Amino acid sequence: DAGVTQSPTHLIKTRGQQVTLRCSPKSGHDTVSWYQQALGQGPQFIFQYYEEEERQRGNFPDRFSGHQFPNYSSELNVNALLLGDSALYLCASSPTSGRALFGELFFGEGSRLTVL
Amino acid sequence: KQEVTQIPAALSVPEGENLVLNCSFTDSAIYNLQWFRQDPGKGLTSLLLIQSSQREQTSGRLNASLDKSSGRSTLYIAASQPGDSATYLCAASSNTGKLIFGQGTTLQVKP
Repeated sequence: DAGVTQSPTHLIKTRGQQVTLRCSPKSGHDTVSWYQQALGQGPQFIFQYYEEEERQRGNFPDRFSGHQFPNYSSELNVNALLLGDSALYLCASSPTSGRALFGELFFGEGSRLTVL
Repeated sequence: KQEVTQIPAALSVPEGENLVLNCSFTDSAIYNLQWFRQDPGKGLTSLLLIQSSQREQTSGRLNASLDKSSGRSTLYIAASQPGDSATYLCAASSNTGKLIFGQGTTLQVKP
């Protein structure tokens, strides 16, 4: 059973460019969340997708946008890249089941973005 | 607004020692609390999840406790090994599944 998979693993962009990161959730999971982890910091919540809609959003600008597809996979898009967007971007998936609407989160290995 | 703090930020111990990592949170209305391990440059591996109605969870040499009234959780690692060296993160979850993370404790276990 494949876990959460993310692509690409590493990428380098220059300021002002746009980037798209991809995530496939763990089998049986229908909720996908994205987190940004700067070096030496804990992950910060960007947004969460369920039933192809953004359900909640953290304190990130509109340059950060996302999408969820019918097969539950998801994309994170960042426009007009800034140096400060350099980070590890983590995707997490979770199931909706029974009384626990959102269960244990499982994370992928992340996409390391470097903005020059 | 939920805030999560982990102390200490870094810890170095000799192999075989038992150790405790601390996590505190400001809002006791959490849905669950999850402990993760992160190796350098890697993603997060879930270690233990404690539901808000539970007091502790155990997995092998790991034991995590939760005290909502005091806003604290601890991760106990028994008989530490060099392979336990990593960063340990705790995260408090709301009932919508949003995780608020601490900054982590970086553990080094020396042979």
